[in-house]
Amino acid sequence: EAQLVESGGGLVQPGGSLRLSCAASGFTFNSHWMGWVRQAPRKGLEWVGNINPSGDDIQYVDSVKGRFTTSRDNARNSLHLQMNSLRVEDTAVYYCVRVEVAADNIWWFDPWGQGALVIVSS
Amino acid sequence: DIQMTQSPYSLSAAVGDRVTITCRSSQNIDNYLNWYQQKPGQAPKVLIYGVSTLQSGVPSRFSGRGSGTDFTLTINSLEFGDVATYFCQQSYGRPPYTFGQGTKLEIK
Repeated sequence: EAQLVESGGGLVQPGGSLRLSCAASGFTFNSHWMGWVRQAPRKGLEWVGNINPSGDDIQYVDSVKGRFTTSRDNARNSLHLQMNSLRVEDTAVYYCVRVEVAADNIWWFDPWGQGALVIVSS
Repeated sequence: DIQMTQSPYSLSAAVGDRVTITCRSSQNIDNYLNWYQQKPGQAPKVLIYGVSTLQSGVPSRFSGRGSGTDFTLTINSLEFGDVATYFCQQSYGRPPYTFGQGTKLEIK
């Protein structure tokens, strides 16, 4: 069974940095696009970014471009999100997600990790 | 960016009822529409992908329909375990891949 486990969340001051990690197991990690989705407290879901299997095609939502960097280590089955210049509005639970693709290129997020809480506050 | 609008924002129904949640996209997304269920205190899980394909293990009480810009999620024979917030998400073309704002389902 595919499983994703995030780590690295915590409290950070505005302008600070934090690095999230996601440990993947139960599937062929280097065959899948991976991504991050966040959820601010009592809010909806926001897609943050996706990364292709080889790590050389990366997409971000505009609000994090230039501040967040996602990367992957296929040898260690791990995904990372380096978050710099953090803002109060980045406060959220960050979910690591696997991208599943059907034969007709329909794709969706499954599974989701349990989430890592990031709080940006002074 | 493609905007996804869900309605209603919340709804309350009785056990055994049928409920329908609507999701509308600001432009054509063909059949690149997915539905997720998030139970209280849990991470979201995919229910339906590609408008109408049920994820393995999802009860047949759940169904999805639509095309283009208008989509629906229907839950038949509502159960207590269906209490959750439901999100639609478009996976069409270029990013960003946006979600609806969510529909909170409660049991009367």
